[in-house]
Amino acid sequence: DQQVKQNSPSLSVQEGRISILNCDYTNSMFDYFLWYKKYPAEGPTFLISISSIKDKNEDGRFTVFLNKSAKHLSLHIVPSQPGDSAVYFCAASDKGGSEKLVFGKGTKLTVNP
Amino acid sequence: DVKVTQSSRYLVKRTGEKVFLECVQDMDHENMFWYRQDPGLGLRLIYFSYDVKMKEKGDIPEGYSVSREKKERFSLILESASTNQTSMYLCASRLAGYEQYFGPGTRLTVT
Repeated sequence: DQQVKQNSPSLSVQEGRISILNCDYTNSMFDYFLWYKKYPAEGPTFLISISSIKDKNEDGRFTVFLNKSAKHLSLHIVPSQPGDSAVYFCAASDKGGSEKLVFGKGTKLTVNP
Repeated sequence: DVKVTQSSRYLVKRTGEKVFLECVQDMDHENMFWYRQDPGLGLRLIYFSYDVKMKEKGDIPEGYSVSREKKERFSLILESASTNQTSMYLCASRLAGYEQYFGPGTRLTVT
């Protein structure tokens, strides 16, 4: 039973436009959410996170939005660059500081020049 | 900068061999994790450790074991490698909070 879902396996956008990657979760105990970026043959790198007490967090070109009532979060990349082409994983953790992160299956973003 | 290193980037083993994957972190992190990544399946947790000599099963522990004798080192052991264990193996560590730092991964092929 998937607790974190990324329903789009892939996304293709033009350079300079906005990329929107979506993530849904089912566990209402999740209180912290993270996005990781992964290039082929490399380990994932942390990108941005958001606590459940917020609905938005911004870091440069990257913004994460959280809609708790819908159990939905999204990552916006503006403007998209070819170097952003990678697989993006959404992850969640539950209350109490559990050591575990639950990852989605990932979305492969391709930014075309 | 946190550094997590893995002993091999690429490894080819035969079915039935015992395989050791090593992970070392240099930031005195308490928690360490082993994942495998497969296309279309994302990252799945195999085992994790929250202290030396302590370990807990993740979501897919079957066919694997782990060892943590020192704080900085966390080993994943495939007792008898099988072809369905061909995968990318990722080690991560964490001090506190939620963010985990990942190593570069080991691409294991079992033939």
